[in-house]
Amino acid sequence: GAVVSQHPSRVICKSGTSVKIECRSLDFQATTMFWYRQFPKQSLMLMATSNEGSKATYEQGVEKDKFLINHASLTLSTLTVTSAHPEDSSFYICSASAGLMGEQFFGPGTRLTVL
Amino acid sequence: AQSVAQPEDQVNVAEGNPLTVKCTYSVSGNPYFFWYVQYPNRGLQFLLKYITGDNLVKGSYGFEAEFNKSQTSFHLKKPSALVSDSALYFCAVNGGYQKVTFGTGTKLQVIP
Repeated sequence: GAVVSQHPSRVICKSGTSVKIECRSLDFQATTMFWYRQFPKQSLMLMATSNEGSKATYEQGVEKDKFLINHASLTLSTLTVTSAHPEDSSFYICSASAGLMGEQFFGPGTRLTVL
Repeated sequence: AQSVAQPEDQVNVAEGNPLTVKCTYSVSGNPYFFWYVQYPNRGLQFLLKYITGDNLVKGSYGFEAEFNKSQTSFHLKKPSALVSDSALYFCAVNGGYQKVTFGTGTKLQVIP
């Protein structure tokens, strides 16, 4: 199956700093990428959907100025958590889709801890 | 709005026994259905999907799922559980526009 990578896998930062997470589709061109957030023992919460070359579509309740998403190419999307606070600590997972069949390929996730 | 329910937070099964992880849905149109597995501190791994056709879908690692339209269910099954199957399982539905809705997850514990 298709491979999606995320970098970094784990990051610890101080409150107030910004953190960038990269999501790459390694062997296919992803027309659409998704960013999810997962709290402990909970399901995935979709944060935003991004299409290459256009602005991301954010889900209700997700602050677009805090969670900046850039989908610069068909193989790379980035999520920047700006001015991170301890409540932003979570497991962030990206996924990529290559077509209309709806199958998403997930990255391994990034564990963000804000001190 | 589409929704997915996984009624069991945890399922315990003895190694070698058959397992079932339940999933029910509420969605209109012709959606796609998925099962994913998640190991601790890892992303989701695709197990199988149902789009149309035969109601019994076979997937990775010996798992299969049965789509039942009258019961609005898409239960995950395996004839003989392995200890290594212990993980968190998510049912998901895509009702259109590539937006996938996930269930709350079911923790599967296979007891040696």
